[in-house]
Amino acid sequence: QVQLQESGPGLVKPSETLSLTCTVSGGSVSGYYWSWMRQSPGKGLEWIGYIYYSGSTNYSPSLKSRVTISVDTSKNQFSLKLSSMTAADTAVYYCARGPQSFYGTSVFDYWGQGTLVTVSS
Amino acid sequence: DIQMTQSPSSLSASVGDRVTITCRASQGIGGHLNWYQQKPGKAPNLLIYTTSNLQSGVPSRFSGSGSGTDFTLTISSLQPEDFASYYCQQSYNTPYTFGQGTKLEIK
Repeated sequence: QVQLQESGPGLVKPSETLSLTCTVSGGSVSGYYWSWMRQSPGKGLEWIGYIYYSGSTNYSPSLKSRVTISVDTSKNQFSLKLSSMTAADTAVYYCARGPQSFYGTSVFDYWGQGTLVTVSS
Repeated sequence: DIQMTQSPSSLSASVGDRVTITCRASQGIGGHLNWYQQKPGKAPNLLIYTTSNLQSGVPSRFSGSGSGTDFTLTISSLQPEDFASYYCQQSYNTPYTFGQGTKLEIK
């Protein structure tokens, strides 16, 4: 059973860069796409971007200027960096497997438990 | 971006009720519509993919239908474990977008 676990700081100061890591167990990052999502009361569920195990990426246009997603196949991890954080970036951040091709569509089939990130001085 | 609009945003119902949640896309997405269930403090969980296909382990009381821009999720007979939030998600193109959610509460 594939399991994902987010790790990183729960509190970030305004203007700083958020760094989160997702560790994958029970399976390999190789061969798959991996995504970051976030969820806030104000904006609901939001897809941030994905990375393929080979390193190719696709980011949401609304965050593209501030986002970097990277992968480390040797550690079976992938990571998110989000710069210039503001209060509007306060949310629960999830890592997930996907978009996973699934019978004609793309889904997010395994998710981490989520980690709350608060932006405050 | 494709906007996904769910209705209602909240719904009160009783065990045994039949409920329907609708999801409308701002443009045609074919059948590229997925549904997720989320319980408090947990991550979303894939429920239905490609409009109408149940993910493994999902009870048959759940069903999905639609095409183009209009989609529905139906629960034929609510069980206590079904009280949760439900989100639609389009996988037609990036950026992938979700509906704002429907919170299903016990009446």
